[in-house]
Amino acid sequence: EAQVTQNPRYLITVTGKKLTVTCSQNMNHEYMSWYRQDPGLGLRQIYYSMNVEVTDKGDVPEGYKVSRKEKRNFPLILESPSPNQTSLYFCASSPTTSFEQYFGPGTRLTVT
Amino acid sequence: AQRVTQPEKLLSVFKGAPVELKCNYSYSGSPELFWYVQYSRQRLQLLLRHISRESIKGFTADLNKGETSFHLKKPFAQEEDSAMYYCAPPDQTGANNLFFGTGTRLTVIP
Repeated sequence: EAQVTQNPRYLITVTGKKLTVTCSQNMNHEYMSWYRQDPGLGLRQIYYSMNVEVTDKGDVPEGYKVSRKEKRNFPLILESPSPNQTSLYFCASSPTTSFEQYFGPGTRLTVT
Repeated sequence: AQRVTQPEKLLSVFKGAPVELKCNYSYSGSPELFWYVQYSRQRLQLLLRHISRESIKGFTADLNKGETSFHLKKPFAQEEDSAMYYCAPPDQTGANNLFFGTGTRLTVIP
C-alpha cells in the first residue's frame, strides 16, 4: 500500500532532550516536507526537500533540523526541544511532476 | 506576504443547507489550486484540485481570476462533511511546495 508513515505517533518529552521523528514514504517521491499544525495558525512548513541531499527552510525552521540521505526517509530532528514546539507534526511527500501531496498520520509532540 | 486567505476560522451550517468555504489567493496568473480536508483524527487528504474540474463528495470549487478566489461549495451539507478544510495554492518559485491557508473548521449541525 502506497503510504507515508511517521514514528512515533505520540511523544511526551522534556525540555532539552534531543528527539527525532521519522518519516518514510514508499512511493519513490522526490519531494518531502514537514509541517506543524497549531490551532488558529493552520499548517506551517518547517523544512522541505526536493530530492536526496537537497533541503530548504520553510516558514518556521528555527529549532529544527532535517536530513535527506535516502529518497524514502526524511527525519525531523529537534536538538533541544522547548515547550513552544509542542504541536502536531505532519510529513508529506509528492512526485516533482505534481503538486499533490500525500500526508502521514501525524505525530503529536508534547514538550514539558 | 500573505499567499492565501481563508477568512473564516469556524463555520457552522445546518444539515441540508448550502455551504461555501472562502479562499482568496494573492498570485498572478492561474495557479493550480487545491482543497485539502482533514476529518477528525485523520491525516490530511486531497479533496479536489481546480485543474481537474471535478466534483468530489458533492463539493466543487471554481477559480475566479478576477476576484482571485477559489471558494469551495456544496449545495446540501451532510454531517460527515464536518472537518477542517485547507485551501492550498502552490509555490511559484519552482519548488514543489503548497502554501496552506489557516483553515476553516466546518461543523454541520444535524
